[in-house]
Amino acid sequence: RKEVEQDPGPFNVPEGATVAFNCTYSNSASQSFFWYRQDCRKEPKLLMSVYSSGNEDGRFTAQLNRASQYISLLIRDSKLSDSATYLCVVNQTGTALIFGKGTTLSVSS
Amino acid sequence: EAQVTQNPRYLITVTGKKLTVTCSQNMNHEYMSWYRQDPGLGLRQIYYSMNVEVTDKGDVPEGYKVSRKEKRNFPLILESPSPNQTSLYFCASTPSRGEVTDTQYFGPGTRLTVL
Repeated sequence: RKEVEQDPGPFNVPEGATVAFNCTYSNSASQSFFWYRQDCRKEPKLLMSVYSSGNEDGRFTAQLNRASQYISLLIRDSKLSDSATYLCVVNQTGTALIFGKGTTLSVSS
Repeated sequence: EAQVTQNPRYLITVTGKKLTVTCSQNMNHEYMSWYRQDPGLGLRQIYYSMNVEVTDKGDVPEGYKVSRKEKRNFPLILESPSPNQTSLYFCASTPSRGEVTDTQYFGPGTRLTVL
């Protein structure tokens, strides 16, 4: 099983900062892509799906580059409540999700 | 409320004592799976089930068993737990047969310690 790789961080940023996370995947046959958020060892929850055309949800923007096998998540105007671990997730077989190890974000006042 | 439930949430046991972690979803989802999460290793899939009576191995199935006799339930069985199975376990479900755009809904997790 090939991997999904993320920079583990931690990323320590002040409130209001813009922060970007990157993720690479090794299987070019991967079909769908997601960012999940996980708080303090609680269950992961879907933050947003990632589409080829790029997509935005409020302060969050996700980008996908299939040629480079690269996914990104941009968070603008960071809030204290954004502090969490962000998991890059790739669907490779149509039945199983492959999770990256996560990038930890800490937003401070 | 649509949810995935797991029980117990916390368990401390001893090596070799059989245990079962239950998982139940009330969303009529076909696809269910079990993951374990360990520091530095991320989430790894143990087993999954695409429908009733259909189960298959994930990345780390050794030492685990599952069953899917009913659509809503997907218990994880450790016949003879060992300390290396100390971990945080998550059950998850997905509406259809693993369609690529489907969201996975996770249970709250079970923190297992095997002494």
